[in-house]
Amino acid sequence: NAGVMQNPRHLVRRRGQEARLRCSPMKGHSHVYWYRQLPEEGLKFMVYLQKENIIDESGMPKERFSAEFPKEGPSILRIQQVVRGDSAAYFCASCNAGATGELFFGEGSRLTVL
Amino acid sequence: KQEVTQIPAALSVPEGENLVLNCSFTDSAIYNLQWFRQDPGKGLTSLLLIQSSQREQTSGRLNASLDKSSGRSTLYIAASQPGDSATYLCAVGGSNYKLTFGKGTLLTVNP
Repeated sequence: NAGVMQNPRHLVRRRGQEARLRCSPMKGHSHVYWYRQLPEEGLKFMVYLQKENIIDESGMPKERFSAEFPKEGPSILRIQQVVRGDSAAYFCASCNAGATGELFFGEGSRLTVL
Repeated sequence: KQEVTQIPAALSVPEGENLVLNCSFTDSAIYNLQWFRQDPGKGLTSLLLIQSSQREQTSGRLNASLDKSSGRSTLYIAASQPGDSATYLCAVGGSNYKLTFGKGTLLTVNP
């Protein structure tokens, strides 16, 4: 049973480009969460999605950031027109809600903006 | 708004020592609490999960306790080893199982 899979593991973008980060939850998990870890900072919640629905996006920056979890395929975190301050590790977690509520995390995607 | 604080921010101990990491949270209306380990440049490894109705959980040399009413949790590591060196993160689960994280304790176990 594969864990939470994130790709790419490392991504380098120039300012103004777009970054797309993908997350495949654990098998049987229908809830996906995205977190951001800035250098020397703790992990901050960004967005919580279920299939085809955004449930809680209270941690998402108002502009340039969007997320989706389509009926088929992985969840996508999209950052448009990246700036240097977007450089961070982005972690995805999944959960089989209704059981223990335990979140399982992927290895993260590390975005560097030049 | 839930806030999670971890003390100390960093800890250095000799191998073999028993140690305690502390976590406090401001809102006692939690669903669960998870302790994670993070190695440099790596993802998060779940160590222990405590449901809000539980007082403690144990796994090998690790024991985590939860006092929901006082907003505290501790992670006890027995007989520490150099391989235990990592950052330990406390995270409190709220509505929709959303986790709020502390900033972590950086543990160094010296041979």
